Amino acid sequence: NAGVTQTPKFQVLKTGQSMTLQCAQDMNHEYMSWYRQDPGMGLRLIHYSVGAGITDQGEVPNGYNVSRSTTEDFPLRLLSAAPSQTSVYFCASSPRAGHYNEQFFGPGTRLTVL
Amino acid sequence: DAKTTQPNSMESNEEEPVHLPCNHSTISGTDYIHWYRQLPSQGPEYVIHGLTSNVNNRMASLAIAEDRKSSTLILHRATLRDAAVYYCILRAGYQGGKLIFGQGTELSVKP
Repeated sequence: NAGVTQTPKFQVLKTGQSMTLQCAQDMNHEYMSWYRQDPGMGLRLIHYSVGAGITDQGEVPNGYNVSRSTTEDFPLRLLSAAPSQTSVYFCASSPRAGHYNEQFFGPGTRLTVL
Repeated sequence: DAKTTQPNSMESNEEEPVHLPCNHSTISGTDYIHWYRQLPSQGPEYVIHGLTSNVNNRMASLAIAEDRKSSTLILHRATLRDAAVYYCILRAGYQGGKLIFGQGTELSVKP
């Protein structure tokens, strides 16, 4: 198993550009989520999904869109990039949404918005 | 959401045990205690979790106080590879899959 994979590893955008961060898992996990981590801080939840076709907002959803058309993939779209979205983005997955389940994280995408 | 309190940083010597404390005085009866760690430039990694009883796995042990208001993550023999930020996280049933990260404890390991 590859686990949770994220692409790209690094990305530089100009203000106003749009892009999609890719996340895929091959563990048949129902639950997937996106976090961002700003320098010196813990992770904050952006969006999450409890299964294909179902998504919901987390703590900091503004400026981001998600969709979940398959169990494996959970892309994060930046609609119009802003410097405040400069961060490291982590995707995670878990067998189910339960609060007792272990979560598996991807290696992250480091995004810089100029 | 129930909060956790951890020291900002701790130091350890290689091959010695490390005890990482976490206070969670407002924990509810069904909240699970989870520990994750984040090595430099990597995503967080699950370490261990428990509800009431002490737990052991290949990475660490989790000691939970009888009143559940505190817990301790124990690394039995620290290695240089254990240098990371360790997060103690309470997970409540109503939160589903959400993980709410605090600042964590930055552990440094000296050779």
